[in-house]
Amino acid sequence: AQSVTQLGSHVSVSEGALVLLRCNYSSSVPPYLFWYVQYPNQGLQLLLKYTTGATLVKGINGFEAEFKKSETSFHLTKPSAHMSDAAEYFCAVSLGTSGTYKYIFGTGTRLKVLA
Amino acid sequence: DAGVTQSPTHLIKTRGQQVTLRCSPKSGHDTVSWYQQALGQGPQFIFQYYEEEERQRGNFPDRFSGHQFPNYSSELNVNALLLGDSALYLCASSFDRAEVQQYFGPGTRLTVT
Repeated sequence: AQSVTQLGSHVSVSEGALVLLRCNYSSSVPPYLFWYVQYPNQGLQLLLKYTTGATLVKGINGFEAEFKKSETSFHLTKPSAHMSDAAEYFCAVSLGTSGTYKYIFGTGTRLKVLA
Repeated sequence: DAGVTQSPTHLIKTRGQQVTLRCSPKSGHDTVSWYQQALGQGPQFIFQYYEEEERQRGNFPDRFSGHQFPNYSSELNVNALLLGDSALYLCASSFDRAEVQQYFGPGTRLTVT
């Protein structure tokens, strides 16, 4: 069965430090991969996505992720954390065929940014 | 261009009651998916509607049902509410023609007491 694993339910970094949030997936077919951010009491906002093409994907707010097929990973990084980055982050894989896509989400990583 | 909208924002119900949540998709979208996000968890797929029919379903009991209207808006109904149904319910819309990305609404927070 397809699944998404996010290592570390809580991650703390200092302001200005590197952010690294880990995501591994299992899929029997080439996946479409997403990172979403969720601020308290809000819905999901798309940070970035990988569908086809370049494996290094740049998103909003300075985030990027690299699709590594050999490692079945799609880790999210940001060179320098900002206080406003504190939120919950979800990795998701989109599965299905044309017209039947649905998301499988990881359990999320809560990012805390220390002043 | 309005995004995905959901109503109500918050809802409090008692065990055993029934609830209806509503979703309007993003303009131009024809497919609506519903997800349940329990506290501290990632969203879980409930079902997806296209052309007014349920196209696929996740691992949720029959107490969860839905509907899609000709204008592509959708409802999620939950009967015989349990305490465990307390969650944030997210609606997502997409365009059927190989649209991989789904666009999420702000969610409805359901509390069952």
